[in-house]
Amino acid sequence: DTEVTQTPKHLVMGMTNKKSLKCEQHMGHRAMYWYKQKAKKPPELMFVYSYEKLSINESVPSRFSPECPNSSLLNLHLHALQPEDSALYLCASSHPRGLASYEQYFGPGTRLTVT
Amino acid sequence: SQQGEEDPQALSIQEGENATMNCSYKTSINNLQWYRQNSGRGLVHLILIRSNEREKHSGRLRVTLDTSKKSSSLLITASRAADTASYFCATGISSGSARQLTFGSGTQLTVLP
Repeated sequence: DTEVTQTPKHLVMGMTNKKSLKCEQHMGHRAMYWYKQKAKKPPELMFVYSYEKLSINESVPSRFSPECPNSSLLNLHLHALQPEDSALYLCASSHPRGLASYEQYFGPGTRLTVT
Repeated sequence: SQQGEEDPQALSIQEGENATMNCSYKTSINNLQWYRQNSGRGLVHLILIRSNEREKHSGRLRVTLDTSKKSSSLLITASRAADTASYFCATGISSGSARQLTFGSGTQLTVLP
């Protein structure tokens, strides 16, 4: 299984809502990532988990709260978002070590719209 | 922050022609990768070239790396309509136990049938 799955595919939420994005992989990867991508722009790294511990937080606002409950799952909890947070949210995973650790496997993304 | 710039921003070619995309980056790297993204979808890893390699091939893909100029190119030969996508270079650095990729600005390739 070389797939990273993300749910939901699309999400529309109001600025007062609380929602969560989910990501799952069963490739035994111990590094998992959240990226944000605006239209016609490259992905921007938000968070990195390595061995279920948060190792990188790229100065992301606290209205985004990541969680890695186990080695296969990664969540992104959303609260009090702003319309400018509307974007494609991508999850990725990779091996934790060696050259292969740089090759990231991406999920299809969650298209988030904040109204 | 964005590490690299790619050019051209957009490229339109006929099926069967070759497509060349260029990427420049700013800092020292361990390796450089190229990814493809179909519209509104996730990225797919295409090829990785290490900092001590100068050229690498994979099927119809040829990647070059010039660390002295901090630049790389991706050549797709005999293009097909299915190659229509955005292509991103990404530079990889190690940050403790984590691996950090920074993506270039991307090239939108359109292959006309």
